Amino acid sequence: NAGVMQNPRHLVRRRGQEARLRCSPMKGHSHVYWYRQLPEEGLKFMVYLQKENIIDESGMPKERFSAEFPKEGPSILRIQQVVRGDSAAYFCASSRQTEAFFGQGTRLTVV
Amino acid sequence: GESVGLHLPTLSVQEGDNSIINCAYSNSASDYFIWYKQESGKGPQFIIDIRSNMDKRQGQRVTVLLNKTVKHLSLQIAATQPGDSAVYFCAENPPDNAGNMLTFGGGTRLMVKP
Repeated sequence: NAGVMQNPRHLVRRRGQEARLRCSPMKGHSHVYWYRQLPEEGLKFMVYLQKENIIDESGMPKERFSAEFPKEGPSILRIQQVVRGDSAAYFCASSRQTEAFFGQGTRLTVV
Repeated sequence: GESVGLHLPTLSVQEGDNSIINCAYSNSASDYFIWYKQESGKGPQFIIDIRSNMDKRQGQRVTVLLNKTVKHLSLQIAATQPGDSAVYFCAENPPDNAGNMLTFGGGTRLMVKP
């Protein structure tokens, strides 16, 4: 049973480009959560999705950020027109009910 | 001893000693708490959880204590080993969250000296 899979592990983008981060939840898990972590800080909730539905996006910036979890395929966190301040580690977690399991994260660097 | 670094508080312990990592949570109505361990360059790894109807829960070498009166959570690691060196986060799940949206604390860096 593979864990939560995130790719790419490292992503470098120039300012103004788009970043796409992918997350495949654990088998049997229908809940997906995205978190953002700045260096030396805790994880900040961004968005909670179930298949084809956004349940809570209260932690998402209002502009440039979007997330989806289609019926088939991984969940995607999309950041348009990236800026240097978007540089961070982005973690995805999945759960069936209570216990959430995290992926290894995608480290986004905007240059 | 315990010291405050640039961002994360750091706890340094000798190998073989017991470690106690503390966390203050924010929502008195939270009913579920988790401790995570995060090693450098990796995602958070589940260590142990506890529900609000319990005061204490034990795992293998780890114990979590919950004091709801003062909204305090602690993680005790027995016979600390070099492999325990990591950043430890507590997380709470307030009851009004739909699903399992965790609110994370700021983290504590544990350094184990051989």
